[in-house]
Amino acid sequence: GAGVSQSPSNKVTEKGKDVELRCDPISGHTALYWYRQSLGQGLEFLIYFQGNSAPDKSGLPSDRFSAERTGGSVSTLTIQRTQQEDSAVYLCASSINRGSGYTFGSGTRLTVV
Amino acid sequence: KQEVTQIPAALSVPEGENLVLNCSFTDSAIYNLQWFRQDPGKGLTSLLLIQSSQREQTSGRLNASLDKSSGRSTLYIAASQPGDSATYLCAVGDAGANSKLTFGKGITLSVRP
Repeated sequence: GAGVSQSPSNKVTEKGKDVELRCDPISGHTALYWYRQSLGQGLEFLIYFQGNSAPDKSGLPSDRFSAERTGGSVSTLTIQRTQQEDSAVYLCASSINRGSGYTFGSGTRLTVV
Repeated sequence: KQEVTQIPAALSVPEGENLVLNCSFTDSAIYNLQWFRQDPGKGLTSLLLIQSSQREQTSGRLNASLDKSSGRSTLYIAASQPGDSATYLCAVGDAGANSKLTFGKGITLSVRP
């Protein structure tokens, strides 16, 4: 597609439930990143994919968070047993290569009640 | 660990004014630097990307400069308009293999008609 697509745009879930957030990057972009933006905080790096592998998972805040990428394209970020502190906007970005800069999606606003 | 600072956190100017937004970073070993715009409730829109070997980039009324040795970048906005009102984020690209971005917390700009 023309841009990075994320779904759903909004998600309200009950504490303790699992959620899946989807990112569809720009076609041909081999690098994919997940970031989190919490209220009043800056953007926080979560995970980086190059192709289908994730060489850097250092930003995942706990083992409740996991992500995968298939076919070098779509990525899914899964949060298990959601907590209220997981409430944030989750942003996905893709890049064709290291030097070309990022294109961000519109994000998924997650609210855990 | 890279730290990115943007001061002030908020800025209000009258329409037509030329303005400079500042960004500083602690580790000069960067790959690139990218300026983004974020409108309320929206994702990030890339404005300008400066590679570490470059000194500046220009797009329309926007000009971004980079002084890697001193750890500073500025975003210059000429003849500001109410439509420029948004949060402006500076992000530094890591020189490591993953090229992850470290973001400042942003400057919220309000341009008064």
